[in-house]
Amino acid sequence: GDSVTQMEGPVTLSEEAFLTINCTYTATGYPSLFWYVQYPGEGLQLLLKATKADDKGSNKGFEATYRKETTSFHLEKGSVQVSDSAVYFCALTPARGGSEKLVFGKGTKLTVNP
Amino acid sequence: KAGVTQTPRYLIKTRGQQVTLSCSPISGHRSVSWYQQTPGQGLQFLFEYFSETQRNKGNFPGRFSGRQFSNSRSEMNVSTLELGDSALYLCASSSLMARGHEQYFGPGTRLTVT
Repeated sequence: GDSVTQMEGPVTLSEEAFLTINCTYTATGYPSLFWYVQYPGEGLQLLLKATKADDKGSNKGFEATYRKETTSFHLEKGSVQVSDSAVYFCALTPARGGSEKLVFGKGTKLTVNP
Repeated sequence: KAGVTQTPRYLIKTRGQQVTLSCSPISGHRSVSWYQQTPGQGLQFLFEYFSETQRNKGNFPGRFSGRQFSNSRSEMNVSTLELGDSALYLCASSSLMARGHEQYFGPGTRLTVT
């Protein structure tokens, strides 16, 4: 079945450092790809998405590009802030059917120190 | 616009009991999905409803059930609770049941089974 693999971390960075969180997927066809973020004590918020190959999703300085050839959707940010500390989840929606079922990776906890 | 609301936010139950969790989607949203989040298994899909019909179901035992009402509100029920059912249960809603459409998550219900 469809699956998502992401680096589990935890990842600890200093403020203004460059962030990369790797995400690869296994799926049939062209799934839609997402990054969600979960702040402590809260639900998930959509950070960015891409629905077809070579699409780049971006939001709040975060970016990720849908790479079909490497089945990857790595999350990047050029300069992290303390407020970016959270857990980040890579996810996909399968290509087949009309379902919105999300398949998530295990999550990566990011801590940014001042 | 009010977000997705879930009630109750916290719940403590005893093994063998049953529990009902409620989710009110964003006004106008007709699609509701449920997920279970645990430290060991991560985020796992439970059910998906659209216009009162269950469109998809995850790999959970029959003790887990759900329904959606005509006003799009949804409930999920877990019978004969087990210790392993302790988790954060998240509800998500979206306006269309279409691949790649954004899902909005509620804050979750934290269930503890003792």
